[in-house]
This record gives sequence, structure tokens and C-alpha cells, in this order.
Amino acid sequence: GENVEQHPSTLSVQEGDSAVIKCTYSDSASNYFPWYKQELGKRPQLIIDIRSNVGEKKDQRIAVTLNKTAKHFSLHITETQPEDSAVYFCAASSGAPHDTDKLIFGTGTRLQVFP
Amino acid sequence: NAGVTQTPKFQVLKTGQSMTLQCAQDMNHNSMYWYRQDPGMGLRLIYYSASEGTTDKGEVPNGYNVSRLNKREFSLRLESAAPSQTSVYFCASSEPGYTDTQYFGPGTRLTVL
Repeated sequence: GENVEQHPSTLSVQEGDSAVIKCTYSDSASNYFPWYKQELGKRPQLIIDIRSNVGEKKDQRIAVTLNKTAKHFSLHITETQPEDSAVYFCAASSGAPHDTDKLIFGTGTRLQVFP
Repeated sequence: NAGVTQTPKFQVLKTGQSMTLQCAQDMNHNSMYWYRQDPGMGLRLIYYSASEGTTDKGEVPNGYNVSRLNKREFSLRLESAAPSQTSVYFCASSEPGYTDTQYFGPGTRLTVL
């Protein structure tokens, strides 16, 4: 089945710097890759997603890139702010024919942005 | 429009006790999911339901049962709680083929002593 690896597990940056979180997946049939942000004690919330027919997607300070050949995708946050501090999860859709609405999550990256 | 709601928010059980976690969504989604979240392990799928009347096992189903009561509600039952089931439980829903986005509930923090 699908396996998703996420790195790094923790990331500390200075306010204004960029942050990059990387994920790899194993199932070449996966076609949907969302990123979730989870603040302390809160629920995960979608911040951006990308499909396999697109190589890059951007939304203000957040961008996601996808390399289907290498089976990896990355989250890029520019001009980081203290409110970006949270745990970020990547996920990949299951490639199994009858399970495409299932997501497999990475283990998370704790991002800390210092003022 | 409340989205996905869960009850209770917190629960403490003794080993061997049973309980049911409730989840409801008002977005008319067909798919619903139960996850558990443990430190350093991300979100792991326990069970999911692709539509009313169907349920399937996820990655970690042992010790749990589910019921898709109707399109809105999806409950998770622990028949005989064990300390290893101490976790935060999240319910989610989605409409595959429309947005694929999974919307999460606020979570239930369960402690089994």
C-alpha cells in the first residue's frame, strides 16, 4: 500500500525566512496531494493541495511542487510569520482502484517561526 | 453550517470499559472517516465509509467498530478499551470527485487508564 515519508520532523526559522517541507510517496497511482496545518489543540485544516496533472500551485505565501517521476512533493512557505508556527502534514491519496478517497498522511513537521 | 462535529471533547475510561464516539456532518458528504492521532505518528485511518451503508477497515482497525447510521452520522465504538487506545480521535468527511478535501471535526481526547 501507499507509504508517505515526511522530513524534517522539526523546523525552526527566523521570521521572514522561507521554510520547505518535503514528502515522498510510494504508489505511482496516487493523484491527489493535500497539505494540512494543525495548530496546537486544534483540528487539521487544509491549506493547499495539488493534483498529479499539475507541477506547481501557489496561493499567496504558500506553494506546493510535485515531481511525479521522483514521487516527491514539497511545501514552500515564504516570508514566514509567527502565526505560521504549527504542525504541517502532507498526505497522498491511495492509488488502489477502490480506495482513491483514502488519504495516507505523513508523520508531520513541527514548524517554529521565531520573531 | 457547523461542518463536522464530534462528541464528547474529552473522555477518561478505565481499561475494559466501552464507549461510543459520535460524529456528524452537515455538508451532505458521502464519505466519512475516523482517524487516531498519536505523537510522532501523524493521522492513521481506523475505519472509513464511502457511502451510507458501507464501511471498510483502514490502517489500524483492531479494537474498534463503526456504524454509519445515516448519511450525516458515523460513530466509532470501543468495546473494551485498552491503554493503547489512549489518543486523540478525529472524524472527517469529504465528497470525492467534487473537491476531495477532507474536513475534520474538533477531535476527542481519550485517555484509558
